[in-house]
Amino acid sequence: EDQVTQSPEALRLQEGESSSLNCSYTVSGLRGLFWYRQDPGKGPEFLFTLYSAGEEKEKERLKATLTKKESFLHITAPKPEDSATYLCAVQADTGFQKLVFGTGTRLLVSP
Amino acid sequence: KAGVTQTPRYLIKTRGQQVTLSCSPISGHRSVSWYQQTPGQGLQFLFEYFSETQRNKGNFPGRFSGRQFSNSRSEMNVSTLELGDSALYLCASSGHLAGTGELFFGEGSRLTVL
Repeated sequence: EDQVTQSPEALRLQEGESSSLNCSYTVSGLRGLFWYRQDPGKGPEFLFTLYSAGEEKEKERLKATLTKKESFLHITAPKPEDSATYLCAVQADTGFQKLVFGTGTRLLVSP
Repeated sequence: KAGVTQTPRYLIKTRGQQVTLSCSPISGHRSVSWYQQTPGQGLQFLFEYFSETQRNKGNFPGRFSGRQFSNSRSEMNVSTLELGDSALYLCASSGHLAGTGELFFGEGSRLTVL
């Protein structure tokens, strides 16, 4: 069964304090790994898609990396507006649009 | 470009009732997926529709059903509501035929079952 585990569950950072979020996954055959951001009361917002081990994607202060068993979301010099829940999801190569999500990491960045 | 629109945003029902939720995808998107989000389980896949056909279904009981219309709008229905059905129901659309995971989510319909 496809599975995604995210850690830590919650993370509190000071503004400017860089850190990483972890996403470990098991999937029969990986079509893609996705990162989403979710603000309270909102739907998830797409951030990145990674397709193969070694791939990296960047967007502003965020950088996502992928290995054969896990993905990291690195946050460099975060700002309070980066506070949100970050969700990781995998799509198996048999599953069309079916994504399996982790339960997320709640990030709080204090000024 | 308008995003994914879900109605209603909030609703309260009692056990045993049924509910219908509506989703209008981004214009031009033909794939619509539904997810249930709860604090304990996170987002769980319900089903996906493409061109009025259900392509994939998650592990939910038959009380959960859906459909898609010719204009790509979708509805999901939950019959005989149970307390555990209280959740945020999210609809997502995609313009990719085979699926790349770039789902665009609506803001959800928050269902409370009393």
